[in-house]
Amino acid sequence: NAGVTQTPKFQVLKTGQSMTLQCAQDMNHEYMSWYRQDPGMGLRLIHYSVGAGITDQGEVPNGYNVSRSTTEDFPLRLLSAAPSQTSVYFCASSYGPVTSGFIYEQYFGPGTRLTVT
Amino acid sequence: TQLLEQSPQFLSIQEGENLTVYCNSSSVFSSLQWYRQEPGEGPVLLVTVVTGGEVKKLKRLTFQFGDARKDSSLHITAAQTGDTGLYLCAGLYSGAGSYQLTFGKGTKLSVIP
Repeated sequence: NAGVTQTPKFQVLKTGQSMTLQCAQDMNHEYMSWYRQDPGMGLRLIHYSVGAGITDQGEVPNGYNVSRSTTEDFPLRLLSAAPSQTSVYFCASSYGPVTSGFIYEQYFGPGTRLTVT
Repeated sequence: TQLLEQSPQFLSIQEGENLTVYCNSSSVFSSLQWYRQEPGEGPVLLVTVVTGGEVKKLKRLTFQFGDARKDSSLHITAAQTGDTGLYLCAGLYSGAGSYQLTFGKGTKLSVIP
């Protein structure tokens, strides 16, 4: 199993450009999520999905869109990149959602380091 | 958003020394996890604790969950250079009919040979 894969590994964008960060998992996990990690801020939840066709907002959703057409894939779209979106982005998956009240193990991808100039 | 404080923020020690890092909140956790993140990689789960007072051991790492489930600690005995990394705690809180997972900002550990 490859686990959780993310592409690209690095990306530089100009302000106003759009792009999609790809995330895929091969563990048949229902729950997937996107986090951003900034120095001194920890991991913050952007969007999450409890299954194909179902998505919801996390703590910092503004400027990002997601969709979940299959169990395996959960892309994150930046609509119009801003310097404040410079960060490291992690995709994660788990067997079940935290909203269930059970703290499942989350499997994280290797991250995408995004710089917006 | 619940606040989850980790301390110290940075820690640099010599190989062979012992260390403890802490994770504290003013709120009660339903359960708590510790993750380790190496440079350029995503976090990897070390342990999950769910019962107040629980102690779990993973080789040289000892995890403790406070009796009141508001705090947790990670103790490393005889640190090795392979322990270098960012240690994150993540607490699951319940409130207003929903659950929320919050990550601390992490403790960056450097073990010097």
